[in-house]
Amino acid sequence: DAGVIQSPRHEVTEMGQEVTLRCKPISGHDYLFWYRQTMMRGLELLIYFNNNVPIDDSGMPEDRFSAKMPNASFSTLKIQPSEPRDSAVYFCASSLGTINYQPQHFGDGTRLSIL
Amino acid sequence: KQEVTQIPAALSVPEGENLVLNCSFTDSAIYNLQWFRQDPGKGLTSLLLIQSSQREQTSGRLNASLDKSSGRSTLYIAASQPGDSATYLCAVYHLGDMRFGAGTRLTVKP
Repeated sequence: DAGVIQSPRHEVTEMGQEVTLRCKPISGHDYLFWYRQTMMRGLELLIYFNNNVPIDDSGMPEDRFSAKMPNASFSTLKIQPSEPRDSAVYFCASSLGTINYQPQHFGDGTRLSIL
Repeated sequence: KQEVTQIPAALSVPEGENLVLNCSFTDSAIYNLQWFRQDPGKGLTSLLLIQSSQREQTSGRLNASLDKSSGRSTLYIAASQPGDSATYLCAVYHLGDMRFGAGTRLTVKP
């Protein structure tokens, strides 16, 4: 089985540019999560979807961040405009069934550097 | 606000030793607790998930316990191997909020 696939693996861009991170969840999984990992703040849950619908976006840091899930096999996390403090590793994860009972499967992440 | 703490931050042991990693959390109102493994440059791999109503879960050489009332969980690794070297994170979940500890970096020396 193919795992969660994220692209790109690395992204370096200048401050003010738009950044789009992509995620393909495991086929059949109905929950999708976006996380951010930094040395200072550790791992943080940003937003999660159930059946393509955003359920909780309380972790999204500010309006510059947006996430979409147009279909069951694709999601994007967009930052516009980007700032140096957005530099982090962004992970996507998916699960079959509610997070209450089912483990999540993580992608290998996108390492984002904003100069 | 839920806070999750993992002690120690780093641990180095010789191969074959049994070891215990600790996780504590401040709010006992949780749905579940998970233990993850993270290898350098990789995402997290879920090792064990303990429901709030459960006391422990086992998978192979791994055993995780949960004491909700005291806000503690332990991950026991038996007969450690160099391949167990990684960062181990615990996370608690409640009502859409998932909080992670900072992790314990484990090194198992041959």
